[in-house]
Amino acid sequence: AQSVSQHNHHVILSEAASLELGCNYSYGGTVNLFWYVQYPGQHLQLLLKYFSGDPLVKGIKGFEAEFIKSKFSFNLRKPSVQWSDTAEYFCAVNPLTGGGNKLTFGTGTQLKVEL
Amino acid sequence: DTGVSQDPRHKITKRGQNVTFRCDPISEHNRLYWYRQTLGQGPEFLTYFQNEAQLEKSRLLSDRFSAERPKGSFSTLEIQRTEQGDSAMYLCASSYHRADTIYFGEGSWLTVV
Repeated sequence: AQSVSQHNHHVILSEAASLELGCNYSYGGTVNLFWYVQYPGQHLQLLLKYFSGDPLVKGIKGFEAEFIKSKFSFNLRKPSVQWSDTAEYFCAVNPLTGGGNKLTFGTGTQLKVEL
Repeated sequence: DTGVSQDPRHKITKRGQNVTFRCDPISEHNRLYWYRQTLGQGPEFLTYFQNEAQLEKSRLLSDRFSAERPKGSFSTLEIQRTEQGDSAMYLCASSYHRADTIYFGEGSWLTVV
């Protein structure tokens, strides 16, 4: 069965620090990849997505992610975090082959940005 | 585009009671999904519909759970004889087609006491 691994469960950074959150998935076929963010008290929102083409994708609020097919990875990055980035971040995979389609999520990474 | 809406947002029920959640997807989205999320975990897939047809159910969806989408628009998720282990956030999501972005609602929190 497919799975998604997020290596960091809790991350604490100071404002202006750089961020990288790891995400690896186990699925050999074609996939769509997503990062969702959940701000405190709010619903899941799409941060960015990769469907095809340039493996470096840019999302909202200065976030970007790089798809490395050989490593089955889709790591999220931001050069300089802000206090308002405090949230929980979820990596998700949607397989496009093998029938059906549904997102499989990682367990999430709680990011706390301190002033 | 008014987003995915869910009702109620919060529900507290006694063990053994039945509860029903409603989801209104983004209009013209023909795929509708139900997920469950517990504290410290990512959302877990429960079931999805293509129009009115329920095409897949997770093994997490026990016999006490039933979902419907009678006219291919809104959907309901009913939990019968609730147990404390059912306490979770129930998320609804929708997409236009299988390879499209899936958009989530705000969720319905269920607490079983």
